[in-house]
Amino acid sequence: ELKVEQNPLFLSMQEGKNYTIYCNYSTTSDRLYWYRQDPGKSLESLFVLLSNGAVKQEGRLMASLDTKARLSTLHITAAVHDLSATYFCAVDGMEYGNKLVFGAGTILRVKS
Amino acid sequence: EPEVTQTPSHQVTQMGQEVILRCVPISNHLYFYWYRQILGQKVEFLVSFYNNEISEKSEIFDDQFSVERPDGSNFTLKIRSTKLEDSAMYFCASGGASGANTEAFFGQGTRLTVV
Repeated sequence: ELKVEQNPLFLSMQEGKNYTIYCNYSTTSDRLYWYRQDPGKSLESLFVLLSNGAVKQEGRLMASLDTKARLSTLHITAAVHDLSATYFCAVDGMEYGNKLVFGAGTILRVKS
Repeated sequence: EPEVTQTPSHQVTQMGQEVILRCVPISNHLYFYWYRQILGQKVEFLVSFYNNEISEKSEIFDDQFSVERPDGSNFTLKIRSTKLEDSAMYFCASGGASGANTEAFFGQGTRLTVV
């Protein structure tokens, strides 16, 4: 069974600081995703990581994937208040019917 | 840009009633999904649908639930005899324009409130 664990589950940080959210998954998968969700809203796709060593960056967010360690990280650089949201990682794979298995989510609060 | 659309955005229903949640997937997509998110919790897979039949369903997707693609464009989730614990955000997703192994895209969700 494919399981996804995120940590931390809650992160309160000051503006301007850096931090990393971790996502571990239990078995091999085809893709790893990072989503952002604002309260009461849908899932906004941030990154799709396909291969070992993949690194993608968008603004203050950078995601990486280590398939050997079954670990992905979402690094936040110089946080700003607008990054406050819940961040989910999710994995899928053809052997799991392509359904997404989500982590529990990390609630990020950036304080001014 | 093509997108997955869901209606209604918010549905309030009495316990025991039936509800139908509607989704229009992206037009050339072949795989369709429903996910559920109880308030404050993670997103959970309910069901996947391909070639006019269910390809996989989770333990949550019991006899109370059914899905249908009635007319080639809509994809519906029916919940019979709703319970308080069915209150959640329901997301539709579609993918697989170029095969099974492609990213799925989510709709904006339907918030279901059972009272």
